[in-house]
Amino acid sequence: GESVGLHLPTLSVQEGDNSIINCAYSNSASDYFIWYKQESGKGPQFIIDIRSNMDKRQGQRVTVLLNKTVKHLSLQIAATQPGDSAVYFCAENPTGNQFYFGTGTSLTVIP
Amino acid sequence: NAGVTQTPKFQVLKTGQSMTLQCAQDMNHNSMYWYRQDPGMGLRLIYYSASEGTTDKGEVPNGYNVSRLNKREFSLRLESAAPSQTSVYFCATKRAGPYEQYFGPGTRLTVT
Repeated sequence: GESVGLHLPTLSVQEGDNSIINCAYSNSASDYFIWYKQESGKGPQFIIDIRSNMDKRQGQRVTVLLNKTVKHLSLQIAATQPGDSAVYFCAENPTGNQFYFGTGTSLTVIP
Repeated sequence: NAGVTQTPKFQVLKTGQSMTLQCAQDMNHNSMYWYRQDPGMGLRLIYYSASEGTTDKGEVPNGYNVSRLNKREFSLRLESAAPSQTSVYFCATKRAGPYEQYFGPGTRLTVT
């Protein structure tokens, strides 16, 4: 999973399998969290968000889980497809305007 | 709608040269941001503007200045470029409140 300041983690999955990407956040005051997808040569793209009053949120093929007790966030991608290959970032929002990003996890989908 | 646009896409500078990176949005968002992204690291905030007429420093502001020209445009200036400023620069926007940011395509800057 992600950690600030470390070598970029990688995850390889077979097409059709489920993927789980983890993120440890640092600020217990953070009340809003976002997952972004970044394809090579492009800007980050919003995937899903979750607020601190929830522990789970589902989107289309994606689910985000939040565990505030251990300050952990995860992104689950169902039936992973080749188009899901990218770097995935979590971001935490401890104040209204500033966001802090993890280092990212590189997901490779094997056809 | 173009969303968030950035110019230029690529730039090579010599040490000591200056340049301005431009960002424009047509989303009518209040907040705008400048980040830099270095290999193996996440995005780090340089400056942000919560609303037209205000700017604030982020995590890594040294060596940069910004101007919020109007609601649509937010520029980032490097007065005297250094090799340590070689990076990919992203502009982002956000509507008021705890919501996601929208990113531009980035400017890849190399300082030799």
